[in-house]
Amino acid sequence: AQKVTQAQTEISVVEKEDVTLDCVYETRDTTYYLFWYKQPPSGELVFLIRRNSFDEQNEISGRYSWNFQKSTSSFNFTITASQVVDSAVYFCALSEAYSGNTPLVFGKGTRLSVIA
Amino acid sequence: DGGITQSPKYLFRKEGQNVTLSCEQNLNHDAMYWYRQDPGQGLRLIYYSQIVNDFQKGDIAEGYSVSREKKESFPLTVTSAQKNPTAFYLCASSIDGRAADTQYFGPGTRLTVL
Repeated sequence: AQKVTQAQTEISVVEKEDVTLDCVYETRDTTYYLFWYKQPPSGELVFLIRRNSFDEQNEISGRYSWNFQKSTSSFNFTITASQVVDSAVYFCALSEAYSGNTPLVFGKGTRLSVIA
Repeated sequence: DGGITQSPKYLFRKEGQNVTLSCEQNLNHDAMYWYRQDPGQGLRLIYYSQIVNDFQKGDIAEGYSVSREKKESFPLTVTSAQKNPTAFYLCASSIDGRAADTQYFGPGTRLTVL
């Protein structure tokens, strides 16, 4: 069965520090998709990135970068030079192309606090 | 502005009452979803719909009901059979519900049952 584990429940960093949020997934499908969402205090989930299982290239978008490693079933998210506005709960999620399971399965999230 | 709206943002109800949460989207998406979020938990799927007049149960459908009479609307009713309805409810939509689809979320409704 598909499963997403975010082992870090809460992380606190001082502004300008780099921080990595871990995501480990389980799936039997060879075709699947991984997502990261940000949930600021307002509550709405904001889409950050989608990655398919055939594309292991790392991606960088401004201060955000993602490291996808199929060998370790991980899809980690790094924020460089963190800012107070990065404080939020971050969710990793997985969907499988062929299993017919629940469309999107979420991890329990990591609460990031960036302190000025 | 295209997006997903949920109303109301906060909702209070007495125990034993049914309550309906609204979700509307103008993104022309075929698929819509309802999730429940409890403190410190991830999102759990309640119901989803990939086409008008059709919907499927998610992981925690007991005590909830939905309808999909229009493409733009996917209201969720929390019935008195739901044992612990106090939670944050999020609605989402995606183009057609395939695994590759990105889901976009509304602002959520926080339901408190007194």
